[in-house]
Amino acid sequence: GENVEQHPSTLSVQEGDSAVIKCTYSDSASNYFPWYKQELGKGPQLIIDIRSNVGEKKDQRIAVTLNKTAKHFSLHITETQPEDSAVYFCAASIAKNNDMRFGAGTRLTVKP
Amino acid sequence: ETGVTQSPTHLIKTRGQQVTLRCSSQSGHNTVSWYQQALGQGPQFIFQYYREEENGRGNFPPRFSGLQFPNYSSELNVNALELDDSALYLCASSSAGTGLGTGELFFGEGSRLTVL
Repeated sequence: GENVEQHPSTLSVQEGDSAVIKCTYSDSASNYFPWYKQELGKGPQLIIDIRSNVGEKKDQRIAVTLNKTAKHFSLHITETQPEDSAVYFCAASIAKNNDMRFGAGTRLTVKP
Repeated sequence: ETGVTQSPTHLIKTRGQQVTLRCSSQSGHNTVSWYQQALGQGPQFIFQYYREEENGRGNFPPRFSGLQFPNYSSELNVNALELDDSALYLCASSSAGTGLGTGELFFGEGSRLTVL
């Protein structure tokens, strides 16, 4: 089955700096790659997603890139703010399966 | 628009007991997925329900079972509880359910289960 690995497990940046989180997946059939943000005491919330027919997607300060050949995808947050502090999860799923596999998470801390 | 709601929010059980967790899906969603999130880990897929039937299952033993009702709400049942079952149980609804598995998941805030 699909295996998703995520790095780093913790990331601390200064406010205004950029943050990058990387994930790799094992199953080349995976075609949907969402990123979720989980704040303390809450469920994960989708922040951006990308499908395998697209190499890059951007939404304001957040961007995601996908390299299908290398089977890795990354989340980029620019101009970080303290409210970006949370745990971020990458995930991957395969069309026709209903099993979304998550990475172990990255705890991002943005220092004011 | 009502979001995904789960109950109870917290509960404590002892080994060997049984537990039932409940989830109301977001308005307009017909598919419910359940995930187990151990402390410091990512969510692990348990199973998904669509049209009141199990529509995919992760690597969890049969003592994890579920139901979906005609109003799309769902229950997760865990029998013969073990200490390792202590976790946050997340319910997510979506409008996928067509076997594509590529719809956005909307998560509830979870039920935190502690097994002593």
